[in-house]
Amino acid sequence: EVQLVESGGGLVQPGGSLRLSCAASGFTFSNYAMNWVRQAPGEGLEWVSTISGSGGATYYADSVKGRFTLSRDNSKNTLYLQMNSLRADDTAVYYCAKDIYSYAPRGCDYWGQGTLVTVSS
Amino acid sequence: NFMLTQPHSVSESPGKTVTISCTRSSGSIASNYVQWYQQRPGSAPTTVIYEDHQRPSGVPDRFSGSIDSSSNSASLTISGLKTEDEADYYCQSYDSRTGVFGGGTKLTVL
Repeated sequence: EVQLVESGGGLVQPGGSLRLSCAASGFTFSNYAMNWVRQAPGEGLEWVSTISGSGGATYYADSVKGRFTLSRDNSKNTLYLQMNSLRADDTAVYYCAKDIYSYAPRGCDYWGQGTLVTVSS
Repeated sequence: NFMLTQPHSVSESPGKTVTISCTRSSGSIASNYVQWYQQRPGSAPTTVIYEDHQRPSGVPDRFSGSIDSSSNSASLTISGLKTEDEADYYCQSYDSRTGVFGGGTKLTVL
């Protein structure tokens, strides 16, 4: 059974940093790209970032480019999202999602339960 | 980049059939696969359709997906509606470097 468990969310001040983690199990982690998708309160889903299965390629939405860094440790089956220079409009539930393919954003087939990030003073 | 446009809301009665559209603003809808996600209130999204028309295991065959090149759109059709189908539905596709979500459609089953 595929499981994705996010952690690391919380309250942070504007300009601050936070690192989200996503622990994966139930599939061969290194064979698949992984995504972060976020949802601001009362809003729709927004694609944030994707990393290829090998970790050699990363892709970012314009809204987070230069501030967020996506990485993975295939030996630990864990995905990380380092978020710097956080802004109020980064407030959202962040979902970790397994991609259908291995190398670039395509589509998600499994989702975690999400972790809430609140950026506020 | 392109956009995916969905109706804000749809409603239908239990037992009936409903179709939710997703129109691509530029480029061909057939050039990249479309996925559909269901999100019930207070829950994480789940995948109901991937690669235009494929159903993940466990998703009932009441859910089906299709694309129409003439209208440059994808559609999610739910037949035999149940009250448990009441949820937000999102279409999603991609280009070479980004994922793109539609704005979501609220399905009310009344």
